Amino acid sequence: DAGVIQSPRHEVTEMGQEVTLRCKPISGHDYLFWYRQTMMRGLELLIYFNNNVPIDDSGMPEDRFSAKMPNASFSTLKIQPSEPRDSAVYFCASLGPSGGYTFGSGTRLTVV
Amino acid sequence: KNEVEQSPQNLTAQEGEFITINCSYSVGISALHWLQQHPGGGIVSLFMLSSGKKKHGRLIATINIQEKHSSLHITASHPRDSAVYICAHGRGGSQGNLIFGKGTKLSVKP
Repeated sequence: DAGVIQSPRHEVTEMGQEVTLRCKPISGHDYLFWYRQTMMRGLELLIYFNNNVPIDDSGMPEDRFSAKMPNASFSTLKIQPSEPRDSAVYFCASLGPSGGYTFGSGTRLTVV
Repeated sequence: KNEVEQSPQNLTAQEGEFITINCSYSVGISALHWLQQHPGGGIVSLFMLSSGKKKHGRLIATINIQEKHSSLHITASHPRDSAVYICAHGRGGSQGNLIFGKGTKLSVKP
């Protein structure tokens, strides 16, 4: 298994632009999580899905953030419009039946 | 107040030393996770444990459910062990949503 695959690895965009981050979880993992990591706040949960259904989106900062999981093998996190304070590393992770988490390599987002 | 407290925040050791990182939490949990993150790198799950002890190579994780405390030990430390080590548990005792400690930054000098 290739693990959790995120794209792009790096994204630099101008303030106000739309940004879309992508994630492919491990096949058979029922849970998918989007986390954000910053120096100030560490790792924070943004949203998670169970069987493609959003369960908890209380961590999504504001309406500029949205996430979808149209099927078991793909999820997107969209920021529109982006702002400099959104600059962070965004991790996707999936959780398997054994209870073990697998994280993607992350997307480093810089909004200038 | 962070529900997961780690100590120390920073740790510098000489190669070969035995290292201990501690994690305390405030609620009953079903499992505790130890994660490793190298500088600029991704996050790797090291252990998930709900009781007793687990060992993988030079890494050992222990947990005391009654005392709400876990430790991560590294024997014969090596510079490649330099990383941030993070403990986490599921919110509300579930697996579905992790609460993270702030991490322990370990630097092992040759």
